[in-house]
Amino acid sequence: QQQVKQSPQSLIVQKGGISIINCAYENTAFDYFPWYQQFPGKGPALLIAIRPDVSEKKEGRFTISFNKSAKQFSLHIMDSQPGDSATYFCAASTSSGTYKYIFGTGTRLKVLA
Amino acid sequence: GAVVSQHPSWVICKSGTSVKIECRSLDFQATTMFWYRQFPKQSLMLMATSNEGSKATYEQGVEKDKFLINHASLTLSTLTVTSAHPEDSSFYICSARDQLSYNEQFFGPGTRLTVL
Repeated sequence: QQQVKQSPQSLIVQKGGISIINCAYENTAFDYFPWYQQFPGKGPALLIAIRPDVSEKKEGRFTISFNKSAKQFSLHIMDSQPGDSATYFCAASTSSGTYKYIFGTGTRLKVLA
Repeated sequence: GAVVSQHPSWVICKSGTSVKIECRSLDFQATTMFWYRQFPKQSLMLMATSNEGSKATYEQGVEKDKFLINHASLTLSTLTVTSAHPEDSSFYICSARDQLSYNEQFFGPGTRLTVL
């Protein structure tokens, strides 16, 4: 019940295209869902995060769509660029206790020039 | 934005030695710090959670005596890998949160440990 399932494992997109990464969770106590971007040899960096009280959040080219009833959320990267090529992780946490993250398995995105 | 640093960024050591990794919050007080381990092409695996002045809480399967965590101040946590062996070679990443950031964790740049 603590797992966060992420798909696809890898993704290849043409420059200018839309990249879509999906995550699903089981624990209904999760109430914070961030997306992180990680480049090789670097620590993860927060891209965007959402709470269950909204169904969508947009920041620049990045959008999170959230479906509370389905317990799913997704990251959309619009106008994908070669510089977006990285590994993306979704995560989930609760707003109590240790606030620890449960990470998804990651998606390796490659944007072709 | 909140900045977390780690030192060293990489370290190579001989089998059987101990290695200490520092994690510092540079511009905020970290009430909670987290230590992760990441193998190549895999996700981040939480090793332990530490609160300032308290003993760390380790995740299931993580050896407390092998991975010593100290969170002595609101800006510094250390991870010591004792009697390191080649299988301990990995990318170690810390993160930190403060009371104002609620759930958000700020991640350090990571430390690459190679045990020969």
